[in-house]
Amino acid sequence: GIQVEQSPPDLILQEGANSTLRCNFSDSVNNLQWFHQNPWGQLINLFYIPSGTKQNGRLSATTVATERYSLLYISSSQTTDSGVYFCAGTANFGNEKLTFGTGTRLTIIP
Amino acid sequence: DGGITQSPKYLFRKEGQNVTLSCEQNLNHDAMYWYRQDPGQGLRLIYYSQIVNDFQKGDIAEGYSVSREKKESFPLTVTSAQKNPTAFYLCASSIAGNQETQYFGPGTRLLVL
Repeated sequence: GIQVEQSPPDLILQEGANSTLRCNFSDSVNNLQWFHQNPWGQLINLFYIPSGTKQNGRLSATTVATERYSLLYISSSQTTDSGVYFCAGTANFGNEKLTFGTGTRLTIIP
Repeated sequence: DGGITQSPKYLFRKEGQNVTLSCEQNLNHDAMYWYRQDPGQGLRLIYYSQIVNDFQKGDIAEGYSVSREKKESFPLTVTSAQKNPTAFYLCASSIAGNQETQYFGPGTRLLVL
């Protein structure tokens, strides 16, 4: 299966700051998704982004499939953005399972 | 109100006991999944089902069992063979198989007494 590496593992920012989270894959991926897990454990799907760029409010994501990475941008951070951000993807062949990275823990300080 | 529900929110298990975690969805999704999350870790796939009456093992299926008798329900049993069951368990569903966006339930925290 594929390996998924996320960086940085931890990030502490002041409210209002911008941040970039990165996800690297060991092989070509399909079905790339970004999730936010809030402090109570609920996972919310942020983006389904196998390639290209998408934006949703203060969040945007870019996937460069040929170079096997994806970026999540958060602008004007709010305390409610705190939590763990996961990326996940499936290998580009067969019916592979969704493999998750170990996440980036984001803490926004008021 | 459409979504995925999991119950109970917290579950305590005694040594040697089997326990069953419930997962229900009313999204009319064909595929359902069970993941395990340990502290500070990502999610690991236990079992998944792409259609009623069919399911496959994920990466860490040992000590767990599932059934998929109805489209909307995918219960997970943690058996006594699972020696380290303390974890956060998340259920998810998607319209079809792995090439679709997955939606998650609120999770069940299982603790061993």
